Formats: sequence, C-alpha cells, structure tokens
Amino acid sequence: NAGVTQTPKFQVLKTGQSMTLQCAQDMNHEYMSWYRQDPGMGLRLIHYSVGAGITDQGEVPNGYNVSRSTTEDFPLRLLSAAPSQTSVYFCASSYSFRGVPYEQYFGPGTRLTVT
Amino acid sequence: LAKTTQPISMDSYEGQEVNITCSHNNIATNDYITWYQQFPSQGPRFIIQGYKTKVTNEVASLFIPADRKSSTLSLPRVSLSDTAVYYCLVGDAQGSTLGRLYFGRGTQLTVWP
Repeated sequence: NAGVTQTPKFQVLKTGQSMTLQCAQDMNHEYMSWYRQDPGMGLRLIHYSVGAGITDQGEVPNGYNVSRSTTEDFPLRLLSAAPSQTSVYFCASSYSFRGVPYEQYFGPGTRLTVT
Repeated sequence: LAKTTQPISMDSYEGQEVNITCSHNNIATNDYITWYQQFPSQGPRFIIQGYKTKVTNEVASLFIPADRKSSTLSLPRVSLSDTAVYYCLVGDAQGSTLGRLYFGRGTQLTVWP
C-alpha cells in the first residue's frame, strides 16, 4: 500500500493563480480531509469528506473547493491564490469508528508559497 | 465544539515517564479523545484513542477520568526520538455523519540526553 500520497511536494504560485492539490489513498477509507499548517501552529481543518459525493466545510474553508468523485481521490482547489494561503497542506484519510475518524493517516504534505 | 487546552511545551530526560494532560471541559457525550504525534516536516501520526477510563497500546497509555473533562497521555521511558509535538483532539461526532477533529497548537515535548 502506498498509503496517502500528495502531489506536488512543493509549489510556488503568484497571487490570483489557481491550482489543484492532489490527494489519493489506497486503503479504501471513507473519510478524507484537508488541513493546513502555518509555522508554529497546529493543523486547521479546511474541508472533509465522509464518502464519495459528500463533502463538508471545516474550520477554514474560504478560498478552497473540494470534490469527492471517487473513494480514492480528494483534490483541493485553490480558486484564486492569496499570500495568506502560504502554508503546508496535509491530506489525511481514515475509516470511521462510531462516527468519528479513527487513526487518520496523513500524507507527506505540500508546501505552498504564494507570492 | 469541544476545545482543548494543552501545555505549550514540556521537557524531559531519556528514560523518564512523561505525562501530558489535555483539558476539554466542553466534551460531549459522543466525543472521543485522540492523540497524535508530529515530527518536523512530517504529517501527524496517530498514537491512541479512547472514550473513558484507560486505554493502552504498545507505545502509550491514555487515562480519562470519569467526568471526561481532561485526559492524560502517558509515554513510558521516553527516548530522544520521542521529541515531537503532541496533539490532543476531541471528536465532534454529529449523529450519523462524521464529525470534525480539530487540532490545537499541541505540546512540544523535548527529550534531553
């Protein structure tokens, strides 16, 4: 199993550009999520999905879109990049236990810089 | 939404037992408590999850008192490689839909030789 994979590892964007961060998992997990982590901070939940076709907002969803057309993939789209979106982005997946994500597996992260 | 409060940092020496306490006064009946570990430039890694009393696995123990307003992660005999940030999360389960897990700033544990 590859686990959770993320591409790209690094990305530099100019303000106003759009892009998609890719996330894939091969563990057949129903739950997937996107977090961002700013320097010296904990992770903040952007969006999450409880299964194909179902997504919901997390703590900091503004400026980001997600979709979940398959169980395996959960891309994160930046609509119009802003310097405030400079961060490290982590994707995670897990199965659920009594409605709560259990043992989330995290990808290696994408380091995004917006100039 | 249950918030958590942890110490910002802790220091220990190799071979000692480390206890990190997390406060979650507003925990809901259906919430679970989960702890993660994160090394620099890596994604967090699951350590342990529990609902009440005590849970133990091969790397840690989790103690949860009866009122569940706090929890303590116990790491036995730490080594230098346990230096990391530890996060306490409280699951916000909402009925039949999956809840959201929120990370705080975590506790930076530094283990000294």
